[in-house]
Amino acid sequence: GENVEQHPSTLSVQEGDSAVIKCTYSDSASNYFPWYKQELGKRPQLIIDIRSNVGEKKDQRIAVTLNKTAKHFSLHITETQPEDSAVYFCAASRPDTGRRALTFGSGTRLQVQP
Amino acid sequence: NAGVTQTPKFQVLKTGQSMTLQCAQDMNHEYMSWYRQDPGMGLRLIHYSVGAGITDQGEVPNGYNVSRSTTEDFPLRLLSAAPSQTSVYFCASSPGTGWDNEQFFGPGTRLTVL
Repeated sequence: GENVEQHPSTLSVQEGDSAVIKCTYSDSASNYFPWYKQELGKRPQLIIDIRSNVGEKKDQRIAVTLNKTAKHFSLHITETQPEDSAVYFCAASRPDTGRRALTFGSGTRLQVQP
Repeated sequence: NAGVTQTPKFQVLKTGQSMTLQCAQDMNHEYMSWYRQDPGMGLRLIHYSVGAGITDQGEVPNGYNVSRSTTEDFPLRLLSAAPSQTSVYFCASSPGTGWDNEQFFGPGTRLTVL
């Protein structure tokens, strides 16, 4: 089955700096890659996703890049703010046979220092 | 819309007890799933359902049962609770094909097994 590895497990940045979180996946047939943000004590919420037919997607200060050849994708947060502090999860899924579900990475705890 | 709701919010069980975690959604989503979240291990899929009457196992199904008699409800049953099942449990639902669309998570149930 799919295996998703996420790095780093913790990341501390100064307010205004950029943050980058990287994930690698094992199944070359995977074609959907979402990112979820989970604030302390809250439920995970989708912040951005990308499908394998595009290499990059942006939404204001957040961007995701995908390298299908290398089987990795990354979350980029620019001009970080204290409210960006949370745990971020990447995930991957394949479109057809086998387990019809997302496989999540182990999470990255991002702390933005004011 | 209430979205995805879960009850109870907190539960303490003794080893060997059984219980049912309730999950309901009012968005007419066909796809529903259960995850458990443990520190440093991300979100691990327990069971999922692509529609009423259809369920399948995820990564960590042992010790749990599910059923899907209606589109709205997807209860998770712990057959004989063990300390290893101490975790936070999230239910999620998704429109369309489900696993390659946004997952809408419930607020979670924090379960402690003594």
